[in-house]
Amino acid sequence: GEDVEQSLFLSVREGDSSVINCTYTDSSSTYLYWYKQEPGAGLQLLTYIFSNMDMKQDQRLTVLLNKKDKHLSLRIADTQTGDSAIYFCAESLHGGATNKLIFGTGTLLAVQP
Amino acid sequence: DGGITQSPKYLFRKEGQNVTLSCEQNLNHDAMYWYRQDPGQGLRLIYYSQIVNDFQKGDIAEGYSVSREKKESFPLTVTSAQKNPTAFYLCASSSRRLVGRGSYNEQFFGPGTRLTVL
Repeated sequence: GEDVEQSLFLSVREGDSSVINCTYTDSSSTYLYWYKQEPGAGLQLLTYIFSNMDMKQDQRLTVLLNKKDKHLSLRIADTQTGDSAIYFCAESLHGGATNKLIFGTGTLLAVQP
Repeated sequence: DGGITQSPKYLFRKEGQNVTLSCEQNLNHDAMYWYRQDPGQGLRLIYYSQIVNDFQKGDIAEGYSVSREKKESFPLTVTSAQKNPTAFYLCASSSRRLVGRGSYNEQFFGPGTRLTVL
């Protein structure tokens, strides 16, 4: 099936690194995405990675992709209280031909001061 | 300012009534989407439209209907046939952004409508 799985909850202390993990199913996904949802709001695109890349870094964010294991991770360095949110990974289906994204269940990141 | 709007933010309806949720975008995007969000289940696709006057069912279309008469607008009707309509509903639109020889699909989300059926 087309399931994208994430752990439901992660708690870290302010200043520590956070690592949010995701496993996806469609090996033809050309792009994989990380979205952030703050309480009571819509989702915002944080970053994306092309499937022929192993790693992408963008300021405090590092995305790692293991295509063989269909595993994606998002590392947030120096986590701040403002990073508290739900984080969704998403894969594009059928090589992106349909514009459809399949979202994971979301990981709630709680940052303790 | 370009963006995607949903109204109202909170909506209450009695069981058995149809209700229509509004979604408008001024981003000139061709594709629009409706998702439903329930705790612990992520986002599930209800309907999507890749172009005006065309739309396709998503994974959980039963009990919902949509129309796409204008590029800017993609209203969702929650009918009385939807067995468990209380949820947070998110609308999105998307554009393809060119990167090198390829392109990726960035979806922009509205702020959501929380529907409660009493």
